[in-house]
Amino acid sequence: LAKTTQPISMDSYEGQEVNITCSHNNIATNDYITWYQQFPSQGPRFIIQGYKTKVTNEVASLFIPADRKSSTLSLPRVSLSDTAVYYCLVAPGANNLFFGTGTRLTVIP
Amino acid sequence: NAGVTQTPKFQVLKTGQSMTLQCAQDMNHNSMYWYRQDPGMGLRLIYYSASEGTTDKGEVPNGYNVSRLNKREFSLRLESAAPSQTSVYFCASRPLALGNYEQYFGPGTRLTVT
Repeated sequence: LAKTTQPISMDSYEGQEVNITCSHNNIATNDYITWYQQFPSQGPRFIIQGYKTKVTNEVASLFIPADRKSSTLSLPRVSLSDTAVYYCLVAPGANNLFFGTGTRLTVIP
Repeated sequence: NAGVTQTPKFQVLKTGQSMTLQCAQDMNHNSMYWYRQDPGMGLRLIYYSASEGTTDKGEVPNGYNVSRLNKREFSLRLESAAPSQTSVYFCASRPLALGNYEQYFGPGTRLTVT
């Protein structure tokens, strides 16, 4: 079971780009990397997934280096509504997933 | 589509009481999951069902039982509730699709055991 390490918290001002890095040294060859967002009193919401290099969607970008031992979620021009907890998961294809404590992002006006 | 629905939204139990948390999804997903989330913590997997008719233990299964009633429904039962089971419970589902690892979560059930 590949566990992940993320910063506990981050602060950012509105309009800035935020990069959250996740370490996953024991990632297996077939594992994908997935990021979720969770607002208070709600269930997590899928943001993005990737296997290698770079993936971009309408919400975020995901950068994965060649060794895949880490990944970086990039949120462009954050707003107050991006204040949430962000979770990095690996092996999302497996059923026994490890969410960890995530990164609490606070966006400051 | 309603997605993943959970009932009830809130519940208060006394120690030793039993109850069943209900979960249903209308997306024709194969896999379903039950998680618990304690205050300030991440989610921990209790049980999962990879497909109809199968269930397996997750990280924290003690004190719980599950039933995959059919493809749509996956219930979680507390036979004898304990204060340590006070938590928010989330149900999730995932399709069996190559390359798609997105889990869809329900709104949660907030359970307090006194």
